Amino acid sequence: EVQLVESGGGLVQPGGSLRLSCAASGFTFNYYWMNWVRQAPGKGLEWVANINQDGGEKYYADSVKGRFTISRDNPKNSLYLQMTSLRAEDTAVYYCARRDGYKLVYWGQGTLVTVSS
Amino acid sequence: QSVLTQPPSVSAAPGQKVTISCSGSSSNIGNNYVSWYQQLPGAAPKLLIYENNNRPSGIPDRFSGSKSGTSATLGITGLQTGDEADYYCGTWDSSLSAGYWVFGGGTKLTVL
Repeated sequence: EVQLVESGGGLVQPGGSLRLSCAASGFTFNYYWMNWVRQAPGKGLEWVANINQDGGEKYYADSVKGRFTISRDNPKNSLYLQMTSLRAEDTAVYYCARRDGYKLVYWGQGTLVTVSS
Repeated sequence: QSVLTQPPSVSAAPGQKVTISCSGSSSNIGNNYVSWYQQLPGAAPKLLIYENNNRPSGIPDRFSGSKSGTSATLGITGLQTGDEADYYCGTWDSSLSAGYWVFGGGTKLTVL
């Protein structure tokens, strides 16, 4: 059974940093592109970043470019999102999702990040 | 403001049919496959339709998808109260030098 479990969310002050993790199981992790998608409270889905199978290609939404870094550790079956210079508008539930071709098939349950003083 | 445009809300009675539209451009819907996601209250999104009109295993055939030009449509027939959820369309956008993923703003379905 495919499982994606996010962790690392919490309360952080504006300007602070946080590192999210996504533990993958039930599939061959290094076969797939992986994504981070977020959802602000009461708002819609926003794609944040993605990374290819070996970590050599990474793409970011304009809203996080230069502040967030996506990475992966294939031997550990883990995906990460390093977030710096956090702003109030980064407050959201952050989901990791596996890309299969042209679709996001599997999603984690999400981890909440709250940026507030 | 989302790259893909969806109506904020739709509603219909149980047993009826509803459609949800998703409008984009040639850099996204016009040249890429569209997928649809259902998000029940308090839950993570779930893939509902992929590659414009295909259903993953376990998704009932009450759900259907179509695409024409730069627009896509999700159809739901035989509405049930359990279908009340937010629905999102998504696709790749190649307007930048590197492709990135875009979602619609979401449509809240109310089954009256």
